[in-house]
Amino acid sequence: QQQVKQSPQSLIVQKGGISIINCAYENTAFDYFPWYQQFPGKGPALLIAIRPDVSEKKEGRFTISFNKSAKQFSLHIMDSQPGDSATYFCAASTKDTGRRALTFGSGTRLQVQP
Amino acid sequence: DSGVTQTPKHLITATGQRVTLRCSPRSGDLSVYWYQQSLDQGLQFLIQYYNGEERAKGNILERFSAQQFPDLHSELNLSSLELGDSALYFCASSPTSAVYNEQFFGPGTRLTVL
Repeated sequence: QQQVKQSPQSLIVQKGGISIINCAYENTAFDYFPWYQQFPGKGPALLIAIRPDVSEKKEGRFTISFNKSAKQFSLHIMDSQPGDSATYFCAASTKDTGRRALTFGSGTRLQVQP
Repeated sequence: DSGVTQTPKHLITATGQRVTLRCSPRSGDLSVYWYQQSLDQGLQFLIQYYNGEERAKGNILERFSAQQFPDLHSELNLSSLELGDSALYFCASSPTSAVYNEQFFGPGTRLTVL
């Protein structure tokens, strides 16, 4: 019930292309869905997040698409750049006190080729 | 820079030993979360503290314990260390006033058990 499934495990995209990473969840109590970016040797950095009351959120080149009925959400990186090469994690949590810890997907290693 | 600090950055120790990892949350954040990142288990929630009190427990072993002090810094104690405890340990802090459950991660402590 707490699992978040992420795909693909790795992704290679050409510079200027669109990177798409998908996540699916089972727990309908989840109500917060962030994406984190992690560079080697660094901690995860919050990239963008969405609540289930909206279907899309865009911040610069990063967009989250959310499908509540399918229990799926995805990250789109437009005009991908070599500097975007990192590992991306989706996550989910509930708003309930005591259950706000993040449940993470397994991660996607993105490589943007110049 | 997330504003969350962790020390030490690296820790190398032997099996059976005990270590203490330290985390200072962002100024004003009352919640501290501890996560473990390993190659086989990914990012997993260990334990959460809120204003000095334990709020939630995840996949934390009985050999592990944590506390949060009056100045809000937190320590994670790992004892009777085993080879499998080698991992990255992250703490994250979250503002009390967060509309969403934003969590900001520190740079991590890399623990190597030999």
